[in-house]
Amino acid sequence: QQPVQSPQAVILREGEDAVINCSSSKALYSVHWYRQKHGEAPVFLMILLKGGEQKGHEKISASFNEKKQQSSLYLTASQLSYSGTYFCGTEGQGAQKLVFGQGTRLTINP
Amino acid sequence: DGGITQSPKYLFRKEGQNVTLSCEQNLNHDAMYWYRQDPGQGLRLIYYSQIVNDFQKGDIAEGYSVSREKKESFPLTVTSAQKNPTAFYLCASSPLNRAPEAFFGQGTRLTVV
Repeated sequence: QQPVQSPQAVILREGEDAVINCSSSKALYSVHWYRQKHGEAPVFLMILLKGGEQKGHEKISASFNEKKQQSSLYLTASQLSYSGTYFCGTEGQGAQKLVFGQGTRLTINP
Repeated sequence: DGGITQSPKYLFRKEGQNVTLSCEQNLNHDAMYWYRQDPGQGLRLIYYSQIVNDFQKGDIAEGYSVSREKKESFPLTVTSAQKNPTAFYLCASSPLNRAPEAFFGQGTRLTVV
């Protein structure tokens, strides 16, 4: 079952912040975040394991709330290069397979 | 350089014909995946394999078939039974451990006319 992402689309000006959410109805072992530019392959950003940890990658960070089976991706002081579609992928407690959400399209304008 | 290669990048087929999409990886990954991407629906899992000669259905396996005769290769056949085959298809691979980082190919855009 696909995780649900929100919002479906975001339009920002360069320098603004954004939050993308991902929620699942199943108990999760890990949450993965990827970014895809139009017509290209998705590129790995980070993985979060159960335990409520938060990770960071330059100005992009994420958290994982195990109790709520939710993850959030935080983009601060957005840059033009952040534009693309962001996908969360989830791995359940039992099944070792990645299931992705429907994506959040992020547009950064100058 | 290690990576995943999908071919061809663009593919056109007539309705009713079977077509096979190629996916090869030289990352020595045990797990391989096929996803279908449609606008607004994200990446939907078609099939995945964790070991040679074994594979499991994903969420939308109907109308598709796969084989895993070699660790490096995981071809996907879109059969005539697939009602709406026009889509962007992505292949991925990962190590066989929990919370693996998946590596994606560049995708094949299939258009059925």
